[in-house]
Amino acid sequence: KQEVTQIPAALSVPEGENLVLNCSFTDSAIYNLQWFRQDPGKGLTSLLLIQSSQREQTSGRLNASLDKSSGRSTLYIAASQPGDSATYLCAAHASGGSYIPTFGRGTSLIVHP
Amino acid sequence: SQTIHQWPATLVQPVGSPLSLECTVEGTSNPNLYWYRQAAGRGLQLLFYSVGIGQISSEVPQNLSASRPQDRQFILSSKKLLLSDSGFYLCAWSRDRGLGGSPLHFGNGTRLTVT
Repeated sequence: KQEVTQIPAALSVPEGENLVLNCSFTDSAIYNLQWFRQDPGKGLTSLLLIQSSQREQTSGRLNASLDKSSGRSTLYIAASQPGDSATYLCAAHASGGSYIPTFGRGTSLIVHP
Repeated sequence: SQTIHQWPATLVQPVGSPLSLECTVEGTSNPNLYWYRQAAGRGLQLLFYSVGIGQISSEVPQNLSASRPQDRQFILSSKKLLLSDSGFYLCAWSRDRGLGGSPLHFGNGTRLTVT
């Protein structure tokens, strides 16, 4: 059974810092890995999707990498801003005919001015 | 473009009352559909998923049920709510049927409080 772990569970940093959020998964047989952002009381917003054949994806100040062999993905946030404050979740989409993605419990990020 | 609608946004219901939450997707056909629950301080819990009309798979046996009467409509129901049913309910969809490669998209959620 796939298990997804996110470290750290919470992070508080000053504005301007570069950040790395970690996501690890136990079963490397995945189709893709997806990163989400969740603001308090809101749904999840998709940030980046990395296919299993890819090593990384970039969108603006966000860069996500994937290393299937080691079961790890990282989300890099450059020059953090207070507006980046949110919970960040990763989800591993299993291969083998399953339609069920497995989620981590998220990293709660606070960027203070 | 594809959009997902989920309503109501908030709901306060007494214990023992029925529940019906609705989710619809526009701009795509044959989506995979999902119901998740997010309780305070806990992660996302998959409740049900569906790969087609009338096809429902339950991940967690409990007081809830789901139905998919139309291709792009997914309904979460309960006959009698329990206090433990309180939480944030999220509907999601994805395009592919297990072939991978397709992102998951979420609605804005329903905050359910059972009193």
